[in-house]
Amino acid sequence: EVQLVESGGGLVQPGGSLRLSCVASGFTFSSYEMNWVRQAPGKGLEWVSYISNSGSSIYYADSVKGRFTISRDNTRNSLYLQMNSLRAEDTALYYCTREVRRNSGVIKGDWFDPWGQGTLVTVSS
Amino acid sequence: DIQMTQSPSSLSASIGDRVTITCRASQSVSTYLNWYQQKPGKAPKVLIYAVSNLQSGVPSRFSGSGSATDFTLTISSLQPEDFATYYCRQSYRAPVSFGGGTKVEIK
Repeated sequence: EVQLVESGGGLVQPGGSLRLSCVASGFTFSSYEMNWVRQAPGKGLEWVSYISNSGSSIYYADSVKGRFTISRDNTRNSLYLQMNSLRAEDTALYYCTREVRRNSGVIKGDWFDPWGQGTLVTVSS
Repeated sequence: DIQMTQSPSSLSASIGDRVTITCRASQSVSTYLNWYQQKPGKAPKVLIYAVSNLQSGVPSRFSGSGSATDFTLTISSLQPEDFATYYCRQSYRAPVSFGGGTKVEIK
């Protein structure tokens, strides 16, 4: 079974740091691009960060650029998100998700599948 | 950045109803348009990829259509397990962006 399990969330004060982890199983982790997506309480989905399968390409949402760092360890089937200088507006459920691509014939696209269960980050004093 | 606008933001419908949700992009997103379903307390799951392709295991009452900037998710006959929030997502241009969501509630 393809599975993603996040951990590392918790309560942190503004300005603090937290490191999220996501362990993958059931597929060849090193072959897939990965992403972090977050959801503030009662709000919609917001893409946070992307990393290529080798780790050589990385992108961030403007809202976290310079504060968050995505990384991966393909030997450990793990994805990480180092979050520094946390703000109240970073409070959210953080999901890791695999990016699936298809570029054959008439089907050109990519999608997120599966998603982990999420880990909650609360930034509050 | 590409803005994704979903409408309506919420709707009430009865079992058996045909439901249509629309998603409009601020510029063309080609075929890089997906639909996700999220039930309360659960992670999102993909329903439709590349505009109109049904993800494995998703019931055939779900369908997607559209092109360029205008897309539609249709549920042909609403079932009890379909009450959820639905999101569109584009990945044609970075950064990836989601629509604001459409909450489907029981009438």
